[in-house]
Amino acid sequence: DQQVKQNSPSLSVQEGRISILNCDYTNSMFDYFLWYKKYPAEGPTFLISISSIKDKNEDGRFTVFLNKSAKHLSLHIVPSQPGDSAVYFCAASAGGGSQGNLIFGKGTKLSVKP
Amino acid sequence: DVKVTQSSRYLVKRTGEKVFLECVQDMDHENMFWYRQDPGLGLRLIYFSYDVKMKEKGDIPEGYSVSREKKERFSLILESASTNQTSMYLCASSLRTSWSYNEQFFGPGTRLTVL
Repeated sequence: DQQVKQNSPSLSVQEGRISILNCDYTNSMFDYFLWYKKYPAEGPTFLISISSIKDKNEDGRFTVFLNKSAKHLSLHIVPSQPGDSAVYFCAASAGGGSQGNLIFGKGTKLSVKP
Repeated sequence: DVKVTQSSRYLVKRTGEKVFLECVQDMDHENMFWYRQDPGLGLRLIYFSYDVKMKEKGDIPEGYSVSREKKERFSLILESASTNQTSMYLCASSLRTSWSYNEQFFGPGTRLTVL
């Protein structure tokens, strides 16, 4: 039973345009969400996060939106650049404490074409 | 900067061999994790540890074991490697927190091929 779903395995966008990556979750106990970016043959790197008490968090070209009622979050990249081509993973956390587990989606491969 | 290192970037082993994957972090993190990444399946948690000598099964622990004798080191062991364990293995660490910000820091990964 997938608790974090990224329904689009891939996305292709033209350079300079907006990239929108989507993520849905089922567990209402999730209270922190993170996006990771992964290049081939490298480990994932943290990109941006959002707490469930917010509906938007922005960092440069990257903005994450959270719609709690719909259990949906999205990552917007504006403008998209060829270097943004990577696999993006959405992850969710259900409370702090000792274990710090994250639940990851299956990822969306973004291709930004020059 | 947090640094998580993994002993090998690429590894080729034969079916039935015992395989050790080592992970070291230098930021005094309590929590450490082992994942495998396969195309179309995302990151799947194999085992995690929240303290020395402590371990918990993740979603896919079968065929694997782990060891955490020191806080900075977390080892993944394939007791008898099989071809379906060919994968990218990723180690991660995080602080133990009392809030939800559980950012995990990942190593570069080990691409394991079992022939």
